[in-house]
Amino acid sequence: QSALTQPRSVSGSPGQSVTISCTGTSSDVGAYNYVSWYQQYPGKGPKVMIYDVSKRPSGVPDRFSGSKSGNTASLTISGLQAEDEADYHCFAYAGSHIWVFGGGTKLTVL
Amino acid sequence: EVQLVESGGGLVKPGGSLRLSCAASGFIFSSSTMDWVRQAPGKGLEWVSSINRDSAYIYYADSVKGRFTISRDNAQNSLYLQMDSLRPGDTAVYYCARWDGAALDIWGHGTMVIVSS
Repeated sequence: QSALTQPRSVSGSPGQSVTISCTGTSSDVGAYNYVSWYQQYPGKGPKVMIYDVSKRPSGVPDRFSGSKSGNTASLTISGLQAEDEADYHCFAYAGSHIWVFGGGTKLTVL
Repeated sequence: EVQLVESGGGLVKPGGSLRLSCAASGFIFSSSTMDWVRQAPGKGLEWVSSINRDSAYIYYADSVKGRFTISRDNAQNSLYLQMDSLRPGDTAVYYCARWDGAALDIWGHGTMVIVSS
């Protein structure tokens, strides 16, 4: 049950787009379309932003989008805003009723 | 208001035990699959355990299997995590969360567990 691999940090200026990658294996990210993404502010519980690779819960801005190619899932945030500065975590099904998170990525809005 | 509130965290010595609780409100708890997720200081999230609505299906991460026990009381709208044989590596904020079939859609604020001598 190894953690999925995410970049420790990414950054972008307001209005720009950033993409956060989440790399797993053919046994987790590559095997199932059960990837979700969570936004977390310091000292707070996470909030789901994307589920099933690319679906957005109601209330989440359409600036947030998700995709997957092979063993890597990605979260793209377009039109960056100051309030997007947070930690982002990917989460994927690894089979046999086991789930795994990524190590988390800190997004800085410059 | 939809809410999950964890409690029971604290300081415990290695080898000790602790029982966490999670009180649910604002949604039909008895129909919900519930999970525990933890986050060590400065680290990412780690999935710990899951229990379905009638406790028929229970799953654990390898890192806690045999030491932690998840349970629930639907009459009390409560989720529990019994943690035994605690290790320093179990030090983390523990969150309870609802699984809605596709994502963890409701999260608590977390409760801190520190395992140290």
